[in-house]
Amino acid sequence: QSALTQPPSASGSPGQSVSISCTGTSSDVGGYNYVSWYQQHPGKAPKLIIYEVSERPSGVPDRFSGSKSGNTASLTVSGLQAEDEADYFCSSYAGSNNFDVFGGGTKLTVL
Amino acid sequence: QVTLRESGPALVKPTQTLTLTCSFSGFSLNTGGMCVSWIRQPPGKALEWLARIDWDDDKFYSTSLKTRLTISKDTSKNQVVLTMTNMDPVDTATYYCARISPNAAMANDYWGQGTLVTVSS
Repeated sequence: QSALTQPPSASGSPGQSVSISCTGTSSDVGGYNYVSWYQQHPGKAPKLIIYEVSERPSGVPDRFSGSKSGNTASLTVSGLQAEDEADYFCSSYAGSNNFDVFGGGTKLTVL
Repeated sequence: QVTLRESGPALVKPTQTLTLTCSFSGFSLNTGGMCVSWIRQPPGKALEWLARIDWDDDKFYSTSLKTRLTISKDTSKNQVVLTMTNMDPVDTATYYCARISPNAAMANDYWGQGTLVTVSS
């Protein structure tokens, strides 16, 4: 059982928007503004797409956005494209005893 | 250009010790704020953070695995080494090393391609 809870699947049609939630506790998501999101295509390494809740690394399209409310963070993918079909994992800093806690991952399907 | 590459045995026997090496380029672990983490992913399952070493040689371990893990660095070789003792079949996973930099605090901004380690007799 993962420390952070994500829905196992999400889907949307090309051009639509989809949001993925990531629920933790006040000891991780709710306690720090260090939520990250990673995109992972099959057989590939994870790629950072959001850090510090809502910041995008250079080169990540602005179709990807992040937010947080209380103990729940969210990733929104706008203007869905076929190449967005992948697994998405959230993570959060959880203190110096367990730096990174991850969600179980959400498989995003572009219909 | 930042790159990381994991290396180590593909197969280990139960009770053996696993030693993995992360060789990196494009940054220095002598630079303030730079860190390298190890993260694993069992087949079809979620990511699990294992350990982290910082530029100042601070080391941090997963609470559930800390008795089995040791992380170290060799800045002259640009390498980070992770050892895990008493391997078990449940430790079968792809093991990744990843960088944390001041540019993206507490986020793993570059990852290696991962190395699959199977634990079986």
